[in-house]
Amino acid sequence: IAGITQAPTSQILAAGRRMTLRCTQDMRHNAMYWYRQDLGLGLRLIHYSNTAGTTGKGEVPDGYSVSRANTDDFPLTLASAVPSQTSVYFCASKGTGDNSPLHFGNGTRLTVT
Amino acid sequence: GQNIDQPTEMTATEGAIVQINCTYQTSGFNGLFWYQQHAGEAPTFLSYNVLDGLEEKGRFSSFLSLSKGYSYLLLKELQMKDSASYLCAVLNSNYQLIWGAGTKLIIKP
Repeated sequence: IAGITQAPTSQILAAGRRMTLRCTQDMRHNAMYWYRQDLGLGLRLIHYSNTAGTTGKGEVPDGYSVSRANTDDFPLTLASAVPSQTSVYFCASKGTGDNSPLHFGNGTRLTVT
Repeated sequence: GQNIDQPTEMTATEGAIVQINCTYQTSGFNGLFWYQQHAGEAPTFLSYNVLDGLEEKGRFSSFLSLSKGYSYLLLKELQMKDSASYLCAVLNSNYQLIWGAGTKLIIKP
């Protein structure tokens, strides 16, 4: 089934540790995104990539990095996790056209202790 | 700044109709999206509006007024499975998606 796969589903991480959240899509979408979702707040964009080989900063990029070596994969790395990074993280992709909706992965629930 | 406003929570009765409002102030406009998100799950696409008027899709309809910076999502014949959060998002002139915080809809039997 075509879509976006995120891993892990959930993780408890000690503060200061490094963590990579994985995201893979098989829809050949050029654009990919990482969002975090916190209670009472809208989805906030962390980083995005309009096409393989390019990345850009979103609204809340500090403490996070991304890479886009190919079309399918868009991993998100927390270099040194802090408790404020406790959140649900969603990866998404988008086809071409203004009216193309985002397709979301099932999310990674991350708790930093 | 850019802002999307939605009610935090609404309650409705099974079988009834509910209207979820969204007002926006953004730098330009290239379309408005509605998504549904069940608890613990990913958002899923419901509708897209870019012109004034009503778009109907089965039990769900979405309305847009460009002059008022206003949209609503209308859900008819409510079912228990419609209990979810409904997210409004606007694509601005820079093609950035600006998200509202979402409206949690509670359906009571």
